[in-house]
Amino acid sequence: DAGVTQSPTHLIKTRGQHVTLRCSPISGHKSVSWYQQVLGQGPQFIFQYYEKEERGRGNFPDRFSARQFPNYSSELNVNALLLGDSALYLCASSPGLLKETQYFGPGTRLLVL
Amino acid sequence: GQQVMQIPQYQHVQEGEDFTTYCNSSTTLSNIQWYKQRPGGHPVFLIQLVKSGEVKKQKRLTFQFGEAKKNSSLHITATQTTDVGTYFCAGNNNDMRFGAGTRLTVKP
Repeated sequence: DAGVTQSPTHLIKTRGQHVTLRCSPISGHKSVSWYQQVLGQGPQFIFQYYEKEERGRGNFPDRFSARQFPNYSSELNVNALLLGDSALYLCASSPGLLKETQYFGPGTRLLVL
Repeated sequence: GQQVMQIPQYQHVQEGEDFTTYCNSSTTLSNIQWYKQRPGGHPVFLIQLVKSGEVKKQKRLTFQFGEAKKNSSLHITATQTTDVGTYFCAGNNNDMRFGAGTRLTVKP
């Protein structure tokens, strides 16, 4: 079985632009969570989606949004990019709600210039 | 809000020495998870602790969850070069809060 996949692997954007990151969970997993990991820090929780509904939201501005599709894949959107949005964006899937084991994807490394 | 603190930030050991990282939460946790992230990689799940005072072992790794469910530790016995990486704890209480991690380097 394939693990969690994310695309793209790397991305370079300029300030003010918009970005869409994509994630496909492990087959059979219904929950997807998004994290931001700045270099040298631990992952910070952005969103959790379960059965296409938002189930949790971290302390991030409204420029960050996400959605989950009927096939349980997910997109993370970030508008009006700032330099500080440069980070590794990780997607994690789990069979059910957040309290279960999470399997992380390889991440998308975003650089905002 | 909930905060998760992890110490030390860095640990450099000689191969064969032991290693311990500590995690403390400002609030009582439902459970705590531990992850390992190799340089350039993504976090990989190691274990989840749920019960107060729980101790779990995985070969040379020993994980403990405090009686108050607010602290946890990971101990590695006789480190090997393959143990290199950053170890994160993640406290779970409605949302998942990661510590800043302990970066372990091992000198052969």
